[in-house]
Amino acid sequence: DSGVTQTPKHLITATGQRVTLRCSPRSGDLSVYWYQQSLDQGLQFLIQYYNGEERAKGNILERFSAQQFPDLHSELNLSSLELGDSALYFCASSVGLAGGLETQYFGPGTRLLVL
Amino acid sequence: SQELEQSPQSLIVQEGKNLTINCTSSKTLYGLYWYKQKYGEGLIFLMMLQKGGEEKSHEKITAKLDEKKQQSSLHITASQPSHAGIYLCGAGSTSYDKVIFGPGTSLSVIP
Repeated sequence: DSGVTQTPKHLITATGQRVTLRCSPRSGDLSVYWYQQSLDQGLQFLIQYYNGEERAKGNILERFSAQQFPDLHSELNLSSLELGDSALYFCASSVGLAGGLETQYFGPGTRLLVL
Repeated sequence: SQELEQSPQSLIVQEGKNLTINCTSSKTLYGLYWYKQKYGEGLIFLMMLQKGGEEKSHEKITAKLDEKKQQSSLHITASQPSHAGIYLCGAGSTSYDKVIFGPGTSLSVIP
């Protein structure tokens, strides 16, 4: 158990809909990262938040947005969903700011299926 | 942009055999991570390497970093069915702000 929790575990929805994925980082970790994993794209970095502020952006679509709250939990909002958004979405956390130089601990993921 | 390649793409070994997985970066490595993933599950952190020539071991898994070759290798000694899974390497990007992952190596261990 990494200490990172994600809810829900599974999500099935229809095209055009909007969903929210939730992540709670390990106790003491200030950074939260969101990743998308699909068979054809592999594990892709989406976005990083540090202590409530957006710090780095990766291949995140404009239809997707995220935020980190004062209690450090984070939410990833996916809207106008398309079939191609079906994937595993992971949240990871680390202690500080240097996302590329710190160990990230991953949650169990949320499996999203868009029908 | 930085890319990571892993070889082999997949591996099937007999229990008890040794094996090596390689990870090669297209650019200078800043922090190299190895993770293991069971199908459809989260990533489990194995180890992190930062300095050239660094070598770390955890149980029967050893990882080495060759900075000059921009490469890391993961070696499993006397493989067991519990070692089966997907091994992913990740590296810090040149801007230090994120980790880029390789495509993964799928390992199957036959009892």
